[in-house]
This record gives sequence, structure tokens and C-alpha cells, in this order.
Amino acid sequence: SQTIHQWPATLVQPVGSPLSLECTVEGTSNPNLYWYRQAAGRGLQLLFYSVGIGQISSEVPQNLSASRPQDRQFILSSKKLLLSDSGFYLCAWNGGYSNQPQHFGDGTRLSIL
Amino acid sequence: QQPVQSPQAVILREGEDAVINCSSSKALYSVHWYRQKHGEAPVFLMILLKGGEQKGHEKISASFNEKKQQSSLYLTASQLSYSGTYFCGTDGSGGSNYKLTFGKGTLLTVNP
Repeated sequence: SQTIHQWPATLVQPVGSPLSLECTVEGTSNPNLYWYRQAAGRGLQLLFYSVGIGQISSEVPQNLSASRPQDRQFILSSKKLLLSDSGFYLCAWNGGYSNQPQHFGDGTRLSIL
Repeated sequence: QQPVQSPQAVILREGEDAVINCSSSKALYSVHWYRQKHGEAPVFLMILLKGGEQKGHEKISASFNEKKQQSSLYLTASQLSYSGTYFCGTDGSGGSNYKLTFGKGTLLTVNP
């Protein structure tokens, strides 16, 4: 069966520091991968998605970036974090087009001080 | 275009029914429903595809009216475990897209 791993679960970072969040999927090949951010009490905002190695689509211009160095690995990065980057970051995968369900990782709760 | 969910919040007693609506200003190809418990990741409930089908999962079912560009989630005889925030995610691309646009969510609280 397919599983998705996301880490770390919790992260506290100072303003201006770099960020690296990692997500890996097991049990499937060539998944579509997604990064979402959820502000407290808010909906799911799509940040990036990828349909293949090295292919990244950005939905929201900001100081975050994403990379997909391997088929089942998706990384969210920032060179300098802002206070507004705080939130709950979720990685998800699915097996194809939008008629396939998305399956979410457990998320990373990021606090910027 | 973000879909609009209603109501924003609903409080039920165990055993009562609820309906959550999801409306879009664009033509829809598919509607996904997810439930998220506090502090956890969203969990997939069901997908409805263009065609107006109704799907069910135990006491939770949903309908999709493509002409009205809306979907409704029906929770019958609610249980305490149904508490959480329900999100709809929509795709209006005709199925050739890879992404969903999620609504702001409906907070459902079921009390004993």
C-alpha cells in the first residue's frame, strides 16, 4: 500500500532563517505531488505541484520554492523565512488527474519567531 | 475560482442530520470531499464526477449537480466521530488538470 511521510512534524524557526521540509511517498511510482499551506483556522492554499522529476508549477508567488530531485521526493524550501510563513504545511500525492483522490501527509507545523 | 461552502459552521447533537453545500461560479468536472480533524491532515471521503451521480460511504453521502455547479454532502444520524472541518475541492478544467481548488471549509461539531 502507498504511504506518505512528511517531516519534521513541528518546527520553530527565527525570522530570516532558511527552511527545508521534506516529503516522500512509498508504494507508487510517478505520483503527482503537492505542497499546501493552511493558516490557523483557514482553508488549504496550494503552493506548488509537480507531475514529474524536475517539473514544478508554482501557484502563489512568494519567498518559497519547491524541488523534486527524485520521483517520490518533494522538498519545500526558503532562503529567508518571514513571519507570514507560519502555518501548517501539508504534502499530498495522487495518481493522476484531478479525478484521483489526494492523500495527505501528517503535516509540519511551522512557527516563525 | 475558490468554491463557496455553506454553512461556515454547524453544531449538532449526536443522531441529527446535516447538509454541507459547495458552490462554484465555474462549470465543474469533479468535486472532492475531505474531512480534517483538529491538528491532523485532511482525509479523503469521496469524489463525484461530472454526471450528477450520488455516492455514499456508510452514513455520509454526496450529490453533484453539474447544472447548478454545486455539490452537497449529507451526514445522517451523526456520530461524535463526524466532528471536524469538511472541505470541498473542485476542478473546473474538464479533467485535464492536476490541481484542486479548496473551499474555506465547514466546521462541524457533534455533541453528545
